[in-house]
Amino acid sequence: KAGVTQTPRYLIKTRGQQVTLSCSPISGHRSVSWYQQTPGQGLQFLFEYFSETQRNKGNFPGRFSGRQFSNSRSEMNVSTLELGDSALYLCASSPVSPANYGYTFGSGTRLTVV
Amino acid sequence: SQQGEEDPQALSIQEGENATMNCSYKTSINNLQWYRQNSGRGLVHLILIRSNEREKHSGRLRVTLDTSKKSSSLLITASRAADTASYFCATVIYNQGGKLIFGQGTELSVKP
Repeated sequence: KAGVTQTPRYLIKTRGQQVTLSCSPISGHRSVSWYQQTPGQGLQFLFEYFSETQRNKGNFPGRFSGRQFSNSRSEMNVSTLELGDSALYLCASSPVSPANYGYTFGSGTRLTVV
Repeated sequence: SQQGEEDPQALSIQEGENATMNCSYKTSINNLQWYRQNSGRGLVHLILIRSNEREKHSGRLRVTLDTSKKSSSLLITASRAADTASYFCATVIYNQGGKLIFGQGTELSVKP
């Protein structure tokens, strides 16, 4: 079956712009989480959605937001981009939350802010 | 701040040798998971160990968990060049849903 699909794979944006990233979880998975990975801060939790409800939010500014649709697909949005937002953004899905057998991650969206 | 601390930060071994990575955490957990990442791509789930388990095996992988010391170790036996990757431990804390808190990772290099 298809894995977790993230689009786009690569993105270059200018400071001050906004960006929307998309994640399609594995069919039947209702939990979708987002993570930011940078060389300096490592992997940091952004937020988790389960059945269209945000269950958890990490320590990120309000410029970072997300949502989940009725088909479990999720989007995250970053407004007023800063250079420090350059990172690999990873999406993970599981059937339940917390996952009983681990999470399946997508290949990520690499965002570069210039 | 990150929950997990991993050591070593980097490990270089020869093919056929065993690799051991350690992870420590700070608060009570629901479970602890190990993931592998190749060259900045997505993470691949390796193994999950619950707080009431002490040891788990999966193929060439062996994971131990010591909740009294708040630590875990991942052993890869008979390593192969294809095992070259970054390895991360991640904890799920009680009453925090599915949030994963990652360690900073161990970069493993297996030389043929």
